[in-house]
Amino acid sequence: AQTVTQSQPEMSVQEAETVTLSCTYDTSENNYYLFWYKQPPSRQMILVIRQEAYKQQNATENRFSVNFQKAAKSFSLKISDSQLGDTAMYFCAPTTSGTYKYIFGTGTRLKVLA
Amino acid sequence: EPEVTQTPSHQVTQMGQEVILRCVPISNHLYFYWYRQILGQKVEFLVSFYNNEISEKSEIFDDQFSVERPDGSNFTLKIRSTKLEDSAMYFCASRRGEPYEQYFGPGTRLTVT
Repeated sequence: AQTVTQSQPEMSVQEAETVTLSCTYDTSENNYYLFWYKQPPSRQMILVIRQEAYKQQNATENRFSVNFQKAAKSFSLKISDSQLGDTAMYFCAPTTSGTYKYIFGTGTRLKVLA
Repeated sequence: EPEVTQTPSHQVTQMGQEVILRCVPISNHLYFYWYRQILGQKVEFLVSFYNNEISEKSEIFDDQFSVERPDGSNFTLKIRSTKLEDSAMYFCASRRGEPYEQYFGPGTRLTVT
């Protein structure tokens, strides 16, 4: 993947509500992996969820799930039952082949409101 | 739970000085990475390292940068002559192999004055 677009620089959601963060990317590869990372104010990068591009089934991890549309090169993150602790910057990160380095998007700053 | 550690957490240096940022990856991991994040911007790939050599580097990783794994545990990033624009958060990451997720350290904030 060479470019990653996160079109929502900032979003807010009420506590307990659901929010979806979008991500599109550009790649010519067929086998790759996609990740969402969360970066709270501490700036630690925390893995949220992983998706293998060869899998049709969307990944789910507790309150977090993805909608992966391979043909459309879209990889959105849905957060259900939002909690105050979900307030953070969220980065979409597909890998390239070879070294499997990450190409990060510009991020979406999510604020969960009490 | 094993984690990636980085030292120091914050480094202040003067322009033109050399700095070494240190990382201890997770012990059974084989692939190592450095990324940087200028304040308010996205995270950018610098370099990947496997089997004691650089496997890929970005355009940012010029001759002023070098990496080394001097022993079985440490992984270092050296900047020979720092510039103001090197001020950023530097993240070390490692992965075992498959699966391909990388585990990040807490970062070193480098401030060049």
